Amino acid sequence: DGGITQSPKYLFRKEGQNVTLSCEQNLNHDAMYWYRQDPGQGLRLIYYSQIVNDFQKGDIAEGYSVSREKKESFPLTVTSAQKNPTAFYLCASRTPGTGDQPQHFGDGTRLSIL
Amino acid sequence: AQKITQTQPGMFVQEKEAVTLDCTYDTSDQSYGLFWYKQPSSGEMIFLIYQGSYDEQNATEGRYSLNFQKARKSANLVISASQLGDSAMYFCAMRRSSASKIIFGSGTRLSIRP
Repeated sequence: DGGITQSPKYLFRKEGQNVTLSCEQNLNHDAMYWYRQDPGQGLRLIYYSQIVNDFQKGDIAEGYSVSREKKESFPLTVTSAQKNPTAFYLCASRTPGTGDQPQHFGDGTRLSIL
Repeated sequence: AQKITQTQPGMFVQEKEAVTLDCTYDTSDQSYGLFWYKQPSSGEMIFLIYQGSYDEQNATEGRYSLNFQKARKSANLVISASQLGDSAMYFCAMRRSSASKIIFGSGTRLSIRP
């Protein structure tokens, strides 16, 4: 079945440590996204990529980094510079260029600080 | 700048009643798209309905309809005959047709009373 796989489902980070969240899709979508969701809040855009080897900062990119070396993969690294990383992280993908295509989402990764 | 506003943090509705969730948006673009998503407590994002800025008719999908008032920049979601399974967070989102970036509102938590 086609879809988006995020791993791990739960992740714990020690102070000063970088961690990487995985996002893989087999939907053949060009565009991929990372969002952060704090408890009871909406989704805030961290980074997005419209095509391989290209990505743009969203509204809260500080303390995060991404890469897009393959169409299927868009990993997110939460660096030690992100002082409050505890949140629910959602990855999404879509086919760009067509206005009515919705984003498809993964099941998310919950990141906590030890 | 683009912005999505959902002014109802939480709502309680009796089962089988209709409910309207408010969404207003701010954009200077003429062409854009509006989406509604449902997020149950498990965390996944479920696409409900889409409205394009040039669509002349309000979008409908089963029990979901979108009350689109372009001049007022509002795109309210109407759920008819609410069910217990409708209890969830609901998010309004907007995409500029000229770009891939999609932003979300802060959400409305809907609770259906039996």
